[in-house]
Amino acid sequence: KAGVTQTPRYLIKTRGQQVTLSCSPISGHRSVSWYQQTPGQGLQFLFEYFSETQRNKGNFPGRFSGRQFSNSRSEMNVSTLELGDSALYLCASSLGGRGQETQYFGPGTRLLVL
Amino acid sequence: DQQVKQNSPSLSVQEGRISILNCDYTNSMFDYFLWYKKYPAEGPTFLISISSIKDKNEDGRFTVFLNKSAKHLSLHIVPSQPGDSAVYFCAASRNTNAGKSTFGDGTTLTVKP
Repeated sequence: KAGVTQTPRYLIKTRGQQVTLSCSPISGHRSVSWYQQTPGQGLQFLFEYFSETQRNKGNFPGRFSGRQFSNSRSEMNVSTLELGDSALYLCASSLGGRGQETQYFGPGTRLLVL
Repeated sequence: DQQVKQNSPSLSVQEGRISILNCDYTNSMFDYFLWYKKYPAEGPTFLISISSIKDKNEDGRFTVFLNKSAKHLSLHIVPSQPGDSAVYFCAASRNTNAGKSTFGDGTTLTVKP
């Protein structure tokens, strides 16, 4: 099976711009979660989508949003970019049940805001 | 309030010896724990997991131990190899919230030849 894919891998934006990141989960996985990793920090949970609905949300401002399509692919959008948004954005997919499941990660999109 | 903590930012061991990485958590509702390994510029790779109904899980050179009363888990790598050098993240989730994992800040393991 192909793994989780994320595009683009690298992105440079300037403050005030907006950005959209894309994630394709492992085939058959219906849950897609997004995480932010900044230098020296662990992974901070942004949100999770399941069946095109946001099922969980972390403590990030409303500038961070996402959506999921019927084929389980997901996009994450950040509006009005700030310097502090520079980070590695990781997408993870899992089957999506309520049991104990393992999330599998993509390679990430590295965003640099200038 | 950091619910998952990895108190050692770094660990250095000799090739062939045992590596022990530690993780503490505060939320007693967590019932599933995972370890991920991460190389620079790559996403985390799943290593091994353990359910709260167990106290040990083994997979080849990797063993995870869970002490629920102490809210502590550890990852043992035996024998350690230079290719094991990476950042190791501990993560925890709840049965009813599987899509949301809470991660520690990571421990950088260096295995010296």
